[in-house]
Amino acid sequence: GQNIDQPTEMTATEGAIVQINCTYQTSGFNGLFWYQQHAGEAPTFLSYNVLDGLEEKGRFSSFLSRSKGYSYLLLKELQMKDSASYLCAVKQRGYQLIWGAGTKLIIKP
Amino acid sequence: NAGVTQTPKFQVLKTGQSMTLQCAQDMNHEYMSWYRQDPGMGLRLIHYSVGAGITDQGEVPNGYNVSRSTTEDFPLRLLSAAPSQTSVYFCASSYLAPSGRAGTDTQYFGPGTRLTVL
Repeated sequence: GQNIDQPTEMTATEGAIVQINCTYQTSGFNGLFWYQQHAGEAPTFLSYNVLDGLEEKGRFSSFLSRSKGYSYLLLKELQMKDSASYLCAVKQRGYQLIWGAGTKLIIKP
Repeated sequence: NAGVTQTPKFQVLKTGQSMTLQCAQDMNHEYMSWYRQDPGMGLRLIHYSVGAGITDQGEVPNGYNVSRSTTEDFPLRLLSAAPSQTSVYFCASSYLAPSGRAGTDTQYFGPGTRLTVL
């Protein structure tokens, strides 16, 4: 079957670092996306990985291991505005994305 | 560019009513899709299109119809609303990534329509 797993909720402190994990089992792999979604808003694109390794974009980094079916999103120097849900999605062959249920990140002062 | 626009933002229907959710994009994207988002679940694909005149079913197509007469517009029709269709609906669009240009098919989302069926 096809499955994407993420923790439901995480809590972190302002200024700290947090890692959000995503594991997947899909029939085919053609890239993994991370999106951010603030409450009541639309998802917005954060990062894309198709090869193994780390992609860095400012305070956000995303890592992929295709052999392990595993990715993580690393957020550094957390700010209150980072309180949001983080969605992991895998692109299989073709055009469709398979989405995880999302991880709600709560930032405390 | 306005990006992806959706109307209405909020809608309340009675069971059995029909309606159309509008979606438009001005980025000349070939791919357009409709998702529903329910608490505790990932986004689920309802229908998608890879170009004008071409549509196909996603994971949860029952009770919904779509058409794609132009590149810009991709309306979603609810035929006979049911309480199980209470959800947040998102339209998204992207380019179809040609080989060697990985990542250019990033999907961009509209602001969503919050639908309640009583």
